[in-house]
Amino acid sequence: GAGVSQSPSNKVTEKGKDVELRCDPISGHTALYWYRQSLGQGLEFLIYFQGNSAPDKSGLPSDRFSAERTGGSVSTLTIQRTQQEDSAVYLCASSLGVGGIGFGQGTRLTVV
Amino acid sequence: QKEVEQNSGPLSVPEGAIASLNCTYSDRGSQSFFWYRQYSGKSPELIMFIYSNGDKEDGRFTAQLNKASQYVSLLIRDSQPSDSATYLCTFSGTYKYIFGTGTRLKVLA
Repeated sequence: GAGVSQSPSNKVTEKGKDVELRCDPISGHTALYWYRQSLGQGLEFLIYFQGNSAPDKSGLPSDRFSAERTGGSVSTLTIQRTQQEDSAVYLCASSLGVGGIGFGQGTRLTVV
Repeated sequence: QKEVEQNSGPLSVPEGAIASLNCTYSDRGSQSFFWYRQYSGKSPELIMFIYSNGDKEDGRFTAQLNKASQYVSLLIRDSQPSDSATYLCTFSGTYKYIFGTGTRLKVLA
């Protein structure tokens, strides 16, 4: 595709349920990032994938959060046992190198 | 000290004026600096990047970098109401892009 694609655009889930957020990066981009943006806040780094290297998970807020990237392309961010404080916009971004990153449209997660 | 610091604003400027946005960073090893614009309810979009000390101009936008003082700024000339957005500063030292909290700019018609 032309840009980073995320699905779903919006997700409403009940507290305690698991959710999966999907990111399809720009074709050929080796680096993939997940960020979280709470209402009125800045971008919080969650996790970074680069090719076949071990991901940098240093930003994941708890062990309820996990992410994988299959075949060096599509990535899935999973949140288990969702809590209300998980409500935010989850942004995925990708890049080829050091020339900046391009973002998807985000997934707005609401935990009720 | 936060890795990237920005004044959250809002910064209000009249239409046609110059808007000046500033950002300081703590990592002296940072190599690349970027400015993103984020409209309300939208994703951030890259508008400027700068690698070398000095100024870089692109249309109405000028990015300024001073590595010795560890600051980077963005000037928007002839500000328009359509420039009203949050401007995010980020840098990349190795691979991780650390973002500031952003400065909210309001251009008053």
